[in-house]
Amino acid sequence: NAGVMQNPRHLVRRRGQEARLRCSPMKGHSHVYWYRQLPEEGLKFMVYLQKENIIDESGMPKERFSAEFPKEGPSILRIQQVVRGDSAAYFCASSPVQGPDTEAFFGQGTRLTVV
Amino acid sequence: SQKIEQNSEALNIQEGKTATLTCNYTNYSPAYLQWYRQDPGRGPVFLLLIRENEKEKRKERLKVTFDTTLKQSLFHITASQPADSATYLCALYNQGGKLIFGQGTELSVKP
Repeated sequence: NAGVMQNPRHLVRRRGQEARLRCSPMKGHSHVYWYRQLPEEGLKFMVYLQKENIIDESGMPKERFSAEFPKEGPSILRIQQVVRGDSAAYFCASSPVQGPDTEAFFGQGTRLTVV
Repeated sequence: SQKIEQNSEALNIQEGKTATLTCNYTNYSPAYLQWYRQDPGRGPVFLLLIRENEKEKRKERLKVTFDTTLKQSLFHITASQPADSATYLCALYNQGGKLIFGQGTELSVKP
């Protein structure tokens, strides 16, 4: 059973371009979470999705950011018109169920650099 | 809102000693608390989960305690090794159902 797969591992975008980050959860996992991590900082929750539904997007900026988890295919975190402040590591996690005693399985992250 | 605080200062210890990391939380009484390990350039990896009715949980050289009165969890690594050097994160599901993390404590074990 492959782990959580994120791609690309590294992404360089110029200011104003779009960034698309992909996350394939572990097989059988229907819950996906996206986090952002800045250097020397902890993981900040962005959005929680369950197949085809956004459950909680309270940590995601209202503008320029969007996320989806279609019935088929990976979850996508999309950042439009990127700015330098978007440079960070973005991690995706998945779980088979949602609950306080559920561990999250993380991917290796996508490191976005905006130049 | 719920907050998790970990000692942001790096912890440097000698090989063979016990490392103790602290996690404090506020404005919430979680039923479960989790600990993760994160190596540079990699995603966090789950280590242990402890329930509120468990005072202590062990896994090999790891031990976690959970004091719901103090709103604190302690994470111990006994007989530490250089390979234990990493950042350790505590996490809990807040009232909104989100898994939130502390900022992590970087542990460095010197040979």
